Amino acid sequence: NAGVTQTPKFQVLKTGQSMTLQCAQDMNHEYMSWYRQDPGMGLRLIHYSVGAGITDQGEVPNGYNVSRSTTEDFPLRLLSAAPSQTSVYFCASSYMRSGGNNEQFFGPGTRLTVL
Amino acid sequence: SQQGEEDPQALSIQEGENATMNCSYKTSINNLQWYRQNSGRGLVHLILIRSNEREKHSGRLRVTLDTSKKSSSLLITASRAADTASYFCATVPSGSARQLTFGSGTQLTVLP
Repeated sequence: NAGVTQTPKFQVLKTGQSMTLQCAQDMNHEYMSWYRQDPGMGLRLIHYSVGAGITDQGEVPNGYNVSRSTTEDFPLRLLSAAPSQTSVYFCASSYMRSGGNNEQFFGPGTRLTVL
Repeated sequence: SQQGEEDPQALSIQEGENATMNCSYKTSINNLQWYRQNSGRGLVHLILIRSNEREKHSGRLRVTLDTSKKSSSLLITASRAADTASYFCATVPSGSARQLTFGSGTQLTVLP
């Protein structure tokens, strides 16, 4: 199994540009999520999905869109990039056991710089 | 806002010593998890402890949970240089299915 894969690994954007960060998992996990990690901080939840066709907002959703058309894929879209979105983005997935008693599997991350 | 806060923010020890990291959180939880992040990499799950458990072991890792104090500790025994990483606690709040809320992490450096 490849686990959770993310592309690209690195990206530089200019303010106002749009782009999509790709995330895929091959473990048949129902739950997928996107986090951002800023220097010296933990991860903050952007959006998450509990299954195909179902998405919801996390702690910091502004400026980001998501969709989940398949179980495997969960892309994150930046509609109009801003310097405040410079960060490292992680995608994660997990099974949906009751009570949230499940580990999340993380991708390697995408390092995004917005100039 | 971040649910968990780790203490200390940074810890430097010699190989073979034990390392202890603490985590405090604010609201009641379903479970608490610890993750490791090597520099420039994604997070790796280490251990999960449920709210009705007080202690759990996995290899050289020992995790305790005190729900009355809303705190947890991670002990790494006989540390190795390869244990050098950032360690994060993450909580699943009660009533939340599975959204993890992360602390800001402890940077552990194990000197050879």
